[in-house]
Amino acid sequence: EVQLQQSGPELVKPGASVKISCKASGYSFTGYFMNWVKQSHGKSLEWIGRINPYNGDTFYNQKFKGKATLTVDKSSSTAHMELLSLTSEDSAVYYCGPDSSGYVAYWGQGTLVTVSA
Amino acid sequence: DIQMTQTTSSLSASLGDRVTISCSASQGISNYLNWYQQKPDGTVKLLIYYTSSLHSGVPSRFSGSGSGTDYSLTISNLEPEDIATYYCQQYSKLPWTFGGGTKLEIK
Repeated sequence: EVQLQQSGPELVKPGASVKISCKASGYSFTGYFMNWVKQSHGKSLEWIGRINPYNGDTFYNQKFKGKATLTVDKSSSTAHMELLSLTSEDSAVYYCGPDSSGYVAYWGQGTLVTVSA
Repeated sequence: DIQMTQTTSSLSASLGDRVTISCSASQGISNYLNWYQQKPDGTVKLLIYYTSSLHSGVPSRFSGSGSGTDYSLTISNLEPEDIATYYCQQYSKLPWTFGGGTKLEIK
């Protein structure tokens, strides 16, 4: 059974950074790109980018370049996303999910990031 | 970037109804179109990929169709557990983009 367990909610101050994680199990972690998606409150979904866990290659949505940094730890089948220089616009739920030929068949439960002083 | 438009942001229907949700792309996407369901608790599931292929475990009352720039998701015989928001997503070109969502409610 494919499972994606994301880290818990984060409350961070403006200007700070936060790193959230997504632990994968039930499939070959290095065989599929890992994608990250943002959902601001009451809004639609935005694709942030993806990483190839096999070699670490990344592709970012231009909108999120400089905002998000994607990494993986193959030894623990965990993907990470660091969000930099946080502002209120970064308050959102962030989802992870492996990409199989253009679609995310399985999604994590989401991680709520709240940016507030 | 390719813009995805779901012109109906909310839709009210009765149990047992047939419901169609539409999605249009700002340019042709060659059937590279997926549909997702998001429940009120935030859980997201893949329903349909490549316009009309049903994801494993998804009830057969869900179906997808379309071509070029216009696509649709149909739910036949609406059931209570179908209350959710539905999003289309194109993967013809990076960055992937999603529609604004259609929230389905019971009348």
